[in-house]
Amino acid sequence: GENVEQHPSTLSVQEGDSAVIKCTYSDSASNYFPWYKQELGKRPQLIIDIRSNVGEKKDQRIAVTLNKTAKHFSLHITETQPEDSAVYFCAASGGSNYKLTFGKGTLLTVNP
Amino acid sequence: KAGVTQTPRYLIKTRGQQVTLSCSPISGHRSVSWYQQTPGQGLQFLFEYFSETQRNKGNFPGRFSGRQFSNSRSEMNVSTLELGDSALYLCASASMGGASTDTQYFGPGTRLTVL
Repeated sequence: GENVEQHPSTLSVQEGDSAVIKCTYSDSASNYFPWYKQELGKRPQLIIDIRSNVGEKKDQRIAVTLNKTAKHFSLHITETQPEDSAVYFCAASGGSNYKLTFGKGTLLTVNP
Repeated sequence: KAGVTQTPRYLIKTRGQQVTLSCSPISGHRSVSWYQQTPGQGLQFLFEYFSETQRNKGNFPGRFSGRQFSNSRSEMNVSTLELGDSALYLCASASMGGASTDTQYFGPGTRLTVL
């Protein structure tokens, strides 16, 4: 089955810096890659997603890149703010596999 | 539209008991998935239903079961509870298309504690 590896597990940055979180997946049939943000005690919230016919997608300070050949995708957050502090999860799904396989998560801390 | 709702939000049970959790998807959504979230294992897929049919199941023992009703509401049941079943149980709904690439929207979760 699909396996998603996520790095790093923790990331601490200064306010205003950029943050990058990387994920790799194993199933070449996967074609949908969402990123979720989960604040303490809250539900996971979709922040951005990318489908395999696209290599990069941006939404204000957030961008995701996808390299299908290498089977990896990354989340980029620019100009980080303290409210970006949360756990971020990457996930993959696709084909006839009606489930999201999640990475273990990255705890991002943005220091003021 | 109202978001995904789950009831109850908190549950405390003892070993050996059984529990039923409920999930109401976003109006118009026909796909409901269930996930177990624990600090050690992260988010793990339990099962997914679309139009009352289970289309996929994760690697959990048979004590974990689910169903979906004609109005797309879903329930999951855990029988013979074990201490290791303590977790946050999240459901997520996706659109009418039910494709594997549809966006999933999560509910607030049910926090289950097994004593």
